[in-house]
Amino acid sequence: EDQVTQSPEALRLQEGESSSLNCSYTVSGLRGLFWYRQDPGKGPEFLFTLYSAGEEKEKERLKATLTKKESFLHITAPKPEDSATYLCAVWYSSGSARQLTFGSGTQLTVLP
Amino acid sequence: DTEVTQTPKHLVMGMTNKKSLKCEQHMGHRAMYWYKQKAKKPPELMFVYSYEKLSINESVPSRFSPECPNSSLLNLHLHALQPEDSALYLCASSQYVDYEQYFGPGTRLTVT
Repeated sequence: EDQVTQSPEALRLQEGESSSLNCSYTVSGLRGLFWYRQDPGKGPEFLFTLYSAGEEKEKERLKATLTKKESFLHITAPKPEDSATYLCAVWYSSGSARQLTFGSGTQLTVLP
Repeated sequence: DTEVTQTPKHLVMGMTNKKSLKCEQHMGHRAMYWYKQKAKKPPELMFVYSYEKLSINESVPSRFSPECPNSSLLNLHLHALQPEDSALYLCASSQYVDYEQYFGPGTRLTVT
């Protein structure tokens, strides 16, 4: 069964305490893996796109990596303003159709 | 400019009402999307339009009727909704299907 799973569900960090969020997937025919950030009551904000294993992208304190089975979002020295829900989404081919599945998200809280 | 606009921001409707949600983008994107999001859940894909044609319909009840009048506009017509349809409705666009999506702020819908 095609699945996208994020862990942990929730993460509390002290300011400056680096950590990683995980997005594992069991789909075949990966067309792209996307990371988004969502603040409460707002639409998701695009962060990164990853297409192939070994690919890495960086933006400020965030770095996204991709393997054949999972992606990591590394947060280095987080600040309170990094608090949000982080979502991964996967586009993949299922037969002749394209499918899009979101993970359930990781709610990150960074304490000052 | 990576802005997607949605109107209205809030909508309260009775179960016998007919209303419409509107979405607009001026980024020249050829794919547009409707999502439904319940509290503390990830967005659920409802419809995908590609080049103004319905590309994906995720088995959404017929009381939700999408329309794409032109490449910049996307509507969602609502009729005879149920209280469980209360949610945040998000619109998004991308250059093409499979590409990163840019989300609007959403319409908070309450069905009474």
